[in-house]
Formats: sequence, structure tokens, C-alpha cells
Amino acid sequence: RKEVEQDPGPFNVPEGATVAFNCTYSNSASQSFFWYRQDCRKEPKLLMSVYSSGNEDGRFTAQLNRASQYISLLIRDSKLSDSATYLCVALGSGGYQKVTFGIGTKLQVIP
Amino acid sequence: SQTIHQWPATLVQPVGSPLSLECTVEGTSNPNLYWYRQAAGRGLQLLFYSVGIGQISSEVPQNLSASRPQDRQFILSSKKLLLSDSGFYLCAWRGWGTEVSSTFGSGTRLTVV
Repeated sequence: RKEVEQDPGPFNVPEGATVAFNCTYSNSASQSFFWYRQDCRKEPKLLMSVYSSGNEDGRFTAQLNRASQYISLLIRDSKLSDSATYLCVALGSGGYQKVTFGIGTKLQVIP
Repeated sequence: SQTIHQWPATLVQPVGSPLSLECTVEGTSNPNLYWYRQAAGRGLQLLFYSVGIGQISSEVPQNLSASRPQDRQFILSSKKLLLSDSGFYLCAWRGWGTEVSSTFGSGTRLTVV
């Protein structure tokens, strides 16, 4: 079983829509979680960390559900510039130096 | 501030030729270092990671190898490239601690012909 699983999409949404991605992780002892954004042919860049209580950064909201072992990313009022691939990361315990990414979910925001 | 350098940006190599990609980090000490590969339209595959000089963990058996001769230098090598080695190679560094995220270099796009 993969350590982190994501729906690769693509998710095609109209401008202004709200879209949510989920990411499931297999290691119940995972301690920290992140969302990254990757533009086409570029390196991934940190979008936001995911905290236990959930956190928000502008139009972006990240949440953690430890019971069901998934993290989510909610994007409100989608912009054309949000079109990218969104990658999730779950760091395991006892070897948190090993960092594996989900396959990424591709988002295309349509005018 | 910390910066990560990765070169070259693009590389075209014939099948069977050797490979050496270098990654260096500035502004930090004893970073965790990572090599990833992303094939066209695919996810990030962790190839190697290193927690210190000379300490390399391999995630995927293949014809690639990695070395960390200095604290902030990470090298990816191959003696003989295969067509399947084509992809986008990314180096990343990360500090210590469970709440610390990774920072990526700008990547090397390798095409094996």
C-alpha cells in the first residue's frame, strides 16, 4: 500500500468555484503533514502546513482527520492562477527524515 | 537565508553514458537531503535520502547511486543511463524536526536518447 494516496484528477472547475482534495495516509503514527503546489515543469513549493486543529491561509483551508487518516485542502473562490498540481506529504514517526509525496491532484480552473 | 542550487537545468544524454547531477545547499548545516525523480505525467518518486555525510538510504533499486561527500553536497550518479532514466530530477533539503517542510531545487530535466 502506498504511504500517501491522492486522486490524480484532473479536477476541472469553473472560476469562482470551491474545490476540495483529499489525501489518505497509511501510517497512523504520521506526525506532520503538508500541502505543496507544483506548476507545470517547475519544482514543488510549499503551500501550507496542516495542523491538527485545521488552518486557513486566505482562500485555502487545510484539515486533518486522524481517525480516518486523511488530510484535505479546500480552495474557495478558485482563480485561474490556482491551476496546478497539488501534492500532499505525511511524515511518519521514527523515520521522519524519509519524505514521500502523493502522486498529486491536478486542478484546472476554467474561465 | 537558506538556498539550494541544482544543476544543470537540462541535460540530454545518450543511452549508456554516465550521469552526474549535483546539488548544494547554503545557509544551513547538517541538512537532510533528498533526490526525487518525476517521470512525465507521474508523481514524485523518492530515490535517495541522506541524514548526514556518507549516509545514504536508497528507496528504489535501479542503476542510480547517490553520494554525500560533504555536509551540504548531494550527488546523483549513474554509470550507464537507460532510456527509462529520463525524467525531472529534483533535489530537496529539509531541516530537522517533525514540523519542518522540504525546499526543492529548480530541478534537472534529463532526456536519455
